[in-house]
Amino acid sequence: GAVVSQHPSWVICKSGTSVKIECRSLDFQATTMFWYRQFPKQSLMLMATSNEGSKATYEQGVEKDKFLINHASLTLSTLTVTSAHPEDSSFYICSATSGVSTDTQYFGPGTRLTVL
Amino acid sequence: QKEVEQNSGPLSVPEGAIASLNCTYSDRGSQSFFWYRQYSGKSPELIMFIYSNGDKEDGRFTAQLNKASQYVSLLIRDSQPSDSATYLCAGYNTNAGKSTFGDGTTLTVKP
Repeated sequence: GAVVSQHPSWVICKSGTSVKIECRSLDFQATTMFWYRQFPKQSLMLMATSNEGSKATYEQGVEKDKFLINHASLTLSTLTVTSAHPEDSSFYICSATSGVSTDTQYFGPGTRLTVL
Repeated sequence: QKEVEQNSGPLSVPEGAIASLNCTYSDRGSQSFFWYRQYSGKSPELIMFIYSNGDKEDGRFTAQLNKASQYVSLLIRDSQPSDSATYLCAGYNTNAGKSTFGDGTTLTVKP
């Protein structure tokens, strides 16, 4: 149980294009989803917290217009990196919690984004 | 001061030994604590969580929590080379509705 998937697992795009990453909870309803970014050999950096049906809460320093988050259903959240640039290249990881156990996060496998 | 502090390591132990990973936190609003393991290039996976003071054992893993000292630890008994990874400590604040992660401790278990 508590499986979270992400798609795609890796993506390469040209600078200036937008990339959408999907995060799905496969066997539970995710009341909250979190989006993280991790650069090589660095720690997880929380970007935003997303609750189903409401606007995401972004962490300080994260541009909400650049990183668009949509949590349209209890099993799906999407992160769109708009007008991507090489400095956006990173490992993007989502996690989800259920209403039953709101503090336990289950992580997706991550999406490796490379912007050329 | 970071909210969750971990020694970055690397921590190196021989196969079969006990590995001890430590974590301190500053947010007294944190009420539950988690240990995640992250292999290089992969996402974190949950190992254990602990809510109450004392010890909690699960197989080769024992988590310890001391809220008065704001200290959390993870012991790995009979360490195996496959335990080599980065271990992340996280504290969850119910009011904030989110967890704060430490930077992780890198463990290497040598055969």
